Formats: sequence, structure tokens, C-alpha cells
Amino acid sequence: EPEVTQTPSHQVTQMGQEVILRCVPISNHLYFYWYRQILGQKVEFLVSFYNNEISEKSEIFDDQFSVERPDGSNFTLKIRSTKLEDSAMYFCASSPGSGRRQPQHFGDGTRLSIL
Amino acid sequence: LAKTTQPISMDSYEGQEVNITCSHNNIATNDYITWYQQFPSQGPRFIIQGYKTKVTNEVASLFIPADRKSSTLSLPRVSLSDTAVYYCLVGDITNDMRFGAGTRLTVKP
Repeated sequence: EPEVTQTPSHQVTQMGQEVILRCVPISNHLYFYWYRQILGQKVEFLVSFYNNEISEKSEIFDDQFSVERPDGSNFTLKIRSTKLEDSAMYFCASSPGSGRRQPQHFGDGTRLSIL
Repeated sequence: LAKTTQPISMDSYEGQEVNITCSHNNIATNDYITWYQQFPSQGPRFIIQGYKTKVTNEVASLFIPADRKSSTLSLPRVSLSDTAVYYCLVGDITNDMRFGAGTRLTVKP
């Protein structure tokens, strides 16, 4: 079964540095998402992306964050000037279509640790 | 977005059937009900989705009464590996999936 893959599995970064998290969505999917989960807390929606532009974003997704689909396979989340509170698991997901009727398929995440 | 309410935690024993109920009193006509499972250090995994009555797949069953104000995820004969957090989500056209705290199921030997 095709799956969403994320790299790296664990990223350690100094506070203030930029970090790029990478995802390869399922190949025929059209919608892409980023979520984060702070340790012990619930999964939080960050952003959805379709047709090379952001379709929805949460209040968490401020100017510090950006997303990009640099080629036909990768989907990236960039965090500029990281803060301690950015430490979390970051999950990428993809779906073939939009809306809740099209279940999202999640990767196993990147654990981001900000020192 | 329809608000959902689930029990925070449940305990069960291997081989038992587990039923997790989710309340969604303000569900809208076009909303679907979707359940995800999450193991520690892994991303959520889609389990099942339904609109009304009953849906069954190889993993679980989903029971939705006629008023659709609640739904019940049924896991037959659970094993230790079913220990996870289970999330109920309700919605339609938005891509903005808002996860709640979910139900932490612990299966004991």
C-alpha cells in the first residue's frame, strides 16, 4: 500500500535557526497537509495545500511558516527562526480529493527538537 | 465545525469487543463521521468513515443512529496491539481537520 514518507525522522536544531521538513505524499494525491503534535497534546492542523497554493491555514501557521512543493513529488514545511515552543512532532498528510469524505493519509512524522 | 465529545480513556481486555461512542449533537446534513487511530510516535491512521446506519470494514464497524447525533466505533476482539488513541472527526467540505483529545484505549492481557 502506498504511503506518505517524511524525512528526517528526527531533527535537532538550535533556536533561531531555519529548518525544512520534507514529505513525499502519495503519488496520485492532490491535497497536502501539515499538522503538528506537541508532546502529550492533540494533533493540530497547520495548513492545507492544493494546486500550488495554500487553501486553508490555522492561526498557528503564521509568517514564521511556509510551505512549498518544489517539484512533482516533494512537499516541504519551512520554519524560519525556530523557537523553543516549535518543538513537536510534525506530520504530513495527503488525500486524493478535498473534504472529510476523502480520508487523509498521514506519514509517521518528524520529531523536531529545538535547543 | 461540529464539536465532538468522546470519553478520555477506556480500558479493555484482550479478546473483548470495544465500543467507543462519540457525541456530535450539532452535526450538519452534509457532514461525514470519520475515525482515526494513532499509535505512539506515529501519524493518525484512517480506520473508517460513514454517513448513516452501519459501515463495516476489515478493521472495525461504525454504527450511526438515525438522528446522527452520535456514532459508535466498534472494535471486535481487541488485542494488545489495539492500544492507541482513537479520534472521532465530523465534517464535510473543509480540509481543516480539527482533532480533539481522542479516546485513549488501553488493552490489557
